[in-house]
Amino acid sequence: QKEVEQNSGPLSVPEGAIASLNCTYSDRVSQSFFWYRQYSGKSPELIMSIYSNGDKEDGRFTAQLNKASQYVSLLIRDSQPSDSATYLCAVSLLNAGNNRKLIWGLGTSLAVNP
Amino acid sequence: DGGITQSPKYLFRKEGQNVTLSCEQNLNHDAMYWYRQDPGQGLRLIYYSQIVNDFQKGDIAEGYSVSREKKESFPLTVTSAQKNPTAFYLCASSINEAQPQHFGDGTRLSIL
Repeated sequence: QKEVEQNSGPLSVPEGAIASLNCTYSDRVSQSFFWYRQYSGKSPELIMSIYSNGDKEDGRFTAQLNKASQYVSLLIRDSQPSDSATYLCAVSLLNAGNNRKLIWGLGTSLAVNP
Repeated sequence: DGGITQSPKYLFRKEGQNVTLSCEQNLNHDAMYWYRQDPGQGLRLIYYSQIVNDFQKGDIAEGYSVSREKKESFPLTVTSAQKNPTAFYLCASSINEAQPQHFGDGTRLSIL
């Protein structure tokens, strides 16, 4: 089992719909969770950070964290074609040396169709 | 503006040549990282540094070397021992391991 898992997609949604992206992780003591957006040929950019259970909203983006079930999700409301990108989930996990390390999922490709 | 600057944007390596990728940050971050990304694949950690004059190997350190003589700078050398260097190289920095990482624009390395 991978430490951080995401569906690779592609996830295809019509313009104006809600896009739902999911991420599961293996470490029960993770405390930091991040969502990044990466356009083709560009570097990842941070769009959301979440540290405690529940929802965190920022504009059209909502991150949802459930530590008991070990998943974090990202909702994009009123999806726009400009949201078409790969979304990377990153989780701060403890490694074998008891040090924190950021583990990356492989990303979910989102296509928003006009 | 605060940020991370990677140079060059494109780099070509000849057989048997070492090349160095530059990464500079003015965010006053302690931690810096180098990743490699291949088409259709995720980010793979090459090296990271949590403090000046100290660095650790990541998951794919073979064929690469780094130095951290200044807080702002974390250059990556791709040595001739790295037989498949063609990739997109990303430098990132963060306040610490629990905080989000911020990325430069990347360097694309190809073999001539």
